[in-house]
Amino acid sequence: QVQLHESGPELVKPSGTLSLTCAVSGASIGNSDWWTWVRQPPGKGLEWIGEIYHGGASHYNPSLKSRVTISLDKSNNQFSLKLSSVTAADTAVYYCARATWIQLWPAFDYWGQGTLVTVSS
Amino acid sequence: EIVLTQSPGTLSLSPGERATLSCRASQSLSSSYLAWYQQKPGQTPRLLIYGASSRATGIPDRFSGSGSGTDFTLTISRLEPEDFAVYYCQHYGSALYTFGQGTKLEIK
Repeated sequence: QVQLHESGPELVKPSGTLSLTCAVSGASIGNSDWWTWVRQPPGKGLEWIGEIYHGGASHYNPSLKSRVTISLDKSNNQFSLKLSSVTAADTAVYYCARATWIQLWPAFDYWGQGTLVTVSS
Repeated sequence: EIVLTQSPGTLSLSPGERATLSCRASQSLSSSYLAWYQQKPGQTPRLLIYGASSRATGIPDRFSGSGSGTDFTLTISRLEPEDFAVYYCQHYGSALYTFGQGTKLEIK
Protein backbone atom coordinates (compact mmCIF):
# COMPACT_ATOMS: atom_id res chain seq x y z
CA GLN A 1 0.00 0.00 0.00
CA VAL A 2 1.43 3.36 -1.04
CA GLN A 3 1.30 6.05 1.60
CA LEU A 4 2.21 9.73 1.37
CA HIS A 5 2.64 12.17 4.22
CA GLU A 6 3.12 15.93 3.97
CA SER A 7 5.13 17.92 6.47
CA GLY A 8 6.35 21.47 6.85
CA PRO A 9 5.59 24.81 8.49
CA GLU A 10 1.89 25.56 8.96
CA LEU A 11 2.43 29.32 9.01
CA VAL A 12 4.40 31.33 6.47
CA LYS A 13 4.88 35.09 6.38
CA PRO A 14 3.80 37.09 3.34
CA SER A 15 6.57 37.40 0.72
CA GLY A 16 8.26 34.35 2.23
CA THR A 17 8.74 30.88 0.79
CA LEU A 18 6.42 27.98 1.50
CA SER A 19 8.33 24.69 1.82
CA LEU A 20 6.72 21.28 2.15
CA THR A 21 8.01 17.73 1.99
CA CYS A 22 6.11 14.59 1.05
CA ALA A 23 7.45 11.32 2.48
CA VAL A 24 6.51 8.26 0.45
CA SER A 25 6.30 4.67 1.67
CA GLY A 26 5.27 1.56 -0.19
CA ALA A 27 6.77 2.80 -3.46
CA SER A 28 10.14 4.05 -4.64
CA ILE A 29 9.96 7.53 -6.12
CA GLY A 30 13.15 6.81 -8.04
CA ASN A 31 11.69 3.91 -9.99
CA SER A 32 8.52 5.08 -11.66
CA ASP A 33 5.56 7.40 -11.81
CA TRP A 34 5.13 11.13 -11.42
CA TRP A 35 4.82 12.78 -8.04
CA THR A 36 2.53 15.75 -7.78
CA TRP A 37 1.26 18.59 -5.60
CA VAL A 38 -2.33 19.85 -5.45
CA ARG A 39 -3.75 22.59 -3.26
CA GLN A 40 -7.21 23.56 -2.05
CA PRO A 41 -7.99 27.00 -0.55
CA PRO A 42 -10.45 26.83 2.34
CA GLY A 43 -13.95 26.16 1.01
CA LYS A 44 -12.80 26.07 -2.61
CA GLY A 45 -11.86 23.56 -5.29
CA LEU A 46 -8.70 21.70 -6.22
CA GLU A 47 -5.80 23.34 -8.05
CA TRP A 48 -2.94 21.40 -9.59
CA ILE A 49 0.46 22.90 -8.74
CA GLY A 50 2.93 20.67 -10.57
CA GLU A 51 4.62 17.31 -10.84
CA ILE A 52 8.04 15.71 -11.05
CA TYR A 53 9.06 12.50 -12.77
CA HIS A 54 11.29 9.89 -11.20
CA GLY A 55 13.92 10.87 -13.75
CA GLY A 56 13.78 14.49 -12.66
CA ALA A 57 11.69 16.14 -15.38
CA SER A 58 9.00 18.49 -14.06
CA HIS A 59 5.86 20.29 -15.20
CA TYR A 60 4.16 23.22 -13.50
CA ASN A 61 0.83 25.00 -13.59
CA PRO A 62 1.46 28.04 -15.81
CA SER A 63 -0.27 30.29 -13.27
CA LEU A 64 2.30 29.35 -10.61
CA LYS A 65 5.31 28.41 -12.71
CA SER A 66 7.39 31.48 -11.91
CA ARG A 67 7.18 30.78 -8.17
CA VAL A 68 7.22 26.97 -7.93
CA THR A 69 10.00 24.40 -7.65
CA ILE A 70 9.39 20.69 -7.11
CA SER A 71 12.35 18.45 -6.38
CA LEU A 72 13.14 14.82 -5.59
CA ASP A 73 15.16 13.40 -2.69
CA LYS A 74 15.62 9.82 -3.76
CA SER A 75 17.86 8.89 -0.86
CA ASN A 76 15.04 9.66 1.57
CA ASN A 77 12.23 8.61 -0.79
CA GLN A 78 10.56 12.00 -0.59
CA PHE A 79 9.82 14.97 -2.78
CA SER A 80 9.42 18.64 -1.98
CA LEU A 81 7.54 21.77 -2.93
CA LYS A 82 8.81 25.32 -2.71
CA LEU A 83 6.51 28.24 -3.47
CA SER A 84 8.09 31.67 -3.28
CA SER A 85 6.72 35.18 -2.76
CA VAL A 86 3.60 33.89 -1.05
CA THR A 87 0.53 35.97 -0.30
CA ALA A 88 -2.70 35.31 1.56
CA ALA A 89 -4.07 33.83 -1.67
CA ASP A 90 -1.66 30.93 -1.22
CA THR A 91 -3.36 29.88 2.02
CA ALA A 92 -4.64 26.38 1.35
CA VAL A 93 -4.54 22.72 2.20
CA TYR A 94 -1.61 21.30 0.26
CA TYR A 95 -1.79 17.68 -0.87
CA CYS A 96 0.90 15.49 -2.34
CA ALA A 97 -0.18 12.62 -4.56
CA ARG A 98 1.08 9.96 -6.92
CA ALA A 99 0.27 10.60 -10.57
CA THR A 100 0.29 7.25 -12.26
CA TRP A 101 -0.72 5.74 -15.57
CA ILE A 102 -3.36 3.05 -15.17
CA GLN A 103 -3.16 1.14 -18.44
CA LEU A 104 -3.21 4.11 -20.85
CA TRP A 105 -4.84 6.66 -18.58
CA PRO A 106 -3.37 9.13 -16.08
CA ALA A 107 -4.83 9.50 -12.59
CA PHE A 108 -3.91 10.49 -9.05
CA ASP A 109 -4.38 7.21 -7.22
CA TYR A 110 -2.75 7.81 -3.83
CA TRP A 111 -2.94 11.04 -1.83
CA GLY A 112 -1.46 12.37 1.36
CA GLN A 113 -3.80 13.54 4.10
CA GLY A 114 -3.07 17.17 3.33
CA THR A 115 -1.58 19.96 5.40
CA LEU A 116 -3.05 23.43 5.93
CA VAL A 117 -0.59 26.20 5.29
CA THR A 118 -1.62 29.70 6.30
CA VAL A 119 0.09 32.80 4.96
CA SER A 120 -0.09 35.52 7.57
CA SER A 121 2.12 37.94 9.42
CA GLU B 1 -5.50 25.78 -21.83
CA ILE B 2 -8.58 23.61 -21.42
CA VAL B 3 -11.25 24.73 -18.96
CA LEU B 4 -13.56 22.17 -17.36
CA THR B 5 -17.01 23.37 -16.33
CA GLN B 6 -19.03 21.17 -14.02
CA SER B 7 -22.78 21.34 -13.62
CA PRO B 8 -24.84 21.69 -11.64
CA GLY B 9 -22.94 23.47 -8.90
CA THR B 10 -25.11 21.76 -6.30
CA LEU B 11 -27.35 18.73 -6.77
CA SER B 12 -29.95 17.90 -4.12
CA LEU B 13 -31.19 14.32 -4.20
CA SER B 14 -32.43 11.61 -1.84
CA PRO B 15 -30.83 8.23 -1.09
CA GLY B 16 -31.88 5.69 -3.68
CA GLU B 17 -32.18 8.25 -6.47
CA ARG B 18 -29.99 8.46 -9.55
CA ALA B 19 -27.39 11.22 -9.80
CA THR B 20 -26.07 12.62 -13.07
CA LEU B 21 -23.11 15.00 -12.90
CA SER B 22 -21.77 16.81 -15.94
CA CYS B 23 -18.27 17.94 -16.90
CA ARG B 24 -17.90 19.99 -20.07
CA ALA B 25 -14.54 20.83 -21.62
CA SER B 26 -13.78 24.03 -23.50
CA GLN B 27 -12.11 21.97 -26.24
CA SER B 28 -12.46 18.39 -27.39
CA LEU B 29 -10.50 15.95 -25.24
CA SER B 30 -9.30 13.74 -28.03
CA SER B 31 -7.59 11.23 -25.77
CA SER B 32 -10.29 11.02 -23.04
CA TYR B 33 -7.74 11.71 -20.31
CA LEU B 34 -10.64 12.46 -17.98
CA ALA B 35 -10.88 11.34 -14.36
CA TRP B 36 -13.39 11.82 -11.56
CA TYR B 37 -12.68 12.23 -7.85
CA GLN B 38 -14.89 12.22 -4.76
CA GLN B 39 -14.11 14.37 -1.75
CA LYS B 40 -15.99 14.15 1.51
CA PRO B 41 -15.75 16.98 4.07
CA GLY B 42 -12.39 16.99 5.83
CA GLN B 43 -11.12 14.11 3.71
CA THR B 44 -8.66 13.56 0.90
CA PRO B 45 -9.94 13.28 -2.66
CA ARG B 46 -10.49 9.71 -3.83
CA LEU B 47 -10.09 8.48 -7.39
CA LEU B 48 -13.35 7.09 -8.77
CA ILE B 49 -13.02 6.96 -12.55
CA TYR B 50 -10.10 7.19 -14.99
CA GLY B 51 -10.02 7.16 -18.76
CA ALA B 52 -13.52 8.65 -18.69
CA SER B 53 -15.21 5.31 -17.99
CA SER B 54 -12.98 2.90 -16.04
CA ARG B 55 -13.67 2.43 -12.35
CA ALA B 56 -10.71 2.61 -9.99
CA THR B 57 -9.91 -0.29 -7.71
CA GLY B 58 -12.53 -0.83 -5.03
CA ILE B 59 -15.09 1.60 -6.44
CA PRO B 60 -18.66 0.22 -6.34
CA ASP B 61 -20.33 -0.47 -9.67
CA ARG B 62 -23.10 2.04 -8.94
CA PHE B 63 -20.52 4.61 -10.09
CA SER B 64 -20.08 4.89 -13.84
CA GLY B 65 -18.44 7.36 -16.20
CA SER B 66 -19.19 8.09 -19.80
CA GLY B 67 -18.64 10.63 -22.52
CA SER B 68 -16.19 11.78 -25.14
CA GLY B 69 -15.16 14.93 -26.92
CA THR B 70 -16.30 17.83 -24.78
CA ASP B 71 -19.08 16.24 -22.70
CA PHE B 72 -18.50 13.79 -19.88
CA THR B 73 -20.84 12.39 -17.24
CA LEU B 74 -20.51 10.73 -13.87
CA THR B 75 -23.57 8.69 -12.95
CA ILE B 76 -24.38 7.22 -9.56
CA SER B 77 -27.17 4.73 -10.19
CA ARG B 78 -28.66 4.52 -6.69
CA LEU B 79 -27.38 6.96 -4.11
CA GLU B 80 -26.13 5.61 -0.81
CA PRO B 81 -25.81 7.90 2.24
CA GLU B 82 -22.01 7.81 1.93
CA ASP B 83 -22.14 9.17 -1.65
CA PHE B 84 -23.06 12.69 -0.61
CA ALA B 85 -19.86 14.62 -1.23
CA VAL B 86 -18.18 16.96 -3.69
CA TYR B 87 -17.15 15.51 -7.06
CA TYR B 88 -14.41 16.86 -9.31
CA CYS B 89 -13.53 16.05 -12.89
CA GLN B 90 -9.91 16.32 -13.99
CA HIS B 91 -8.21 16.44 -17.38
CA TYR B 92 -4.63 15.78 -18.41
CA GLY B 93 -3.22 17.27 -21.57
CA SER B 94 -0.06 18.99 -22.82
CA ALA B 95 1.73 18.09 -19.58
CA LEU B 96 -0.89 19.93 -17.52
CA TYR B 97 -3.66 18.84 -15.22
CA THR B 98 -6.88 20.82 -14.85
CA PHE B 99 -9.71 20.32 -12.37
CA GLY B 100 -13.32 21.34 -12.73
CA GLN B 101 -14.75 23.55 -10.02
CA GLY B 102 -16.71 20.70 -8.46
CA THR B 103 -20.32 19.60 -7.99
CA LYS B 104 -21.66 19.30 -4.47
CA LEU B 105 -24.06 16.40 -4.08
CA GLU B 106 -26.22 17.03 -1.04
CA ILE B 107 -29.03 15.20 0.68
CA LYS B 108 -32.46 16.55 -0.16
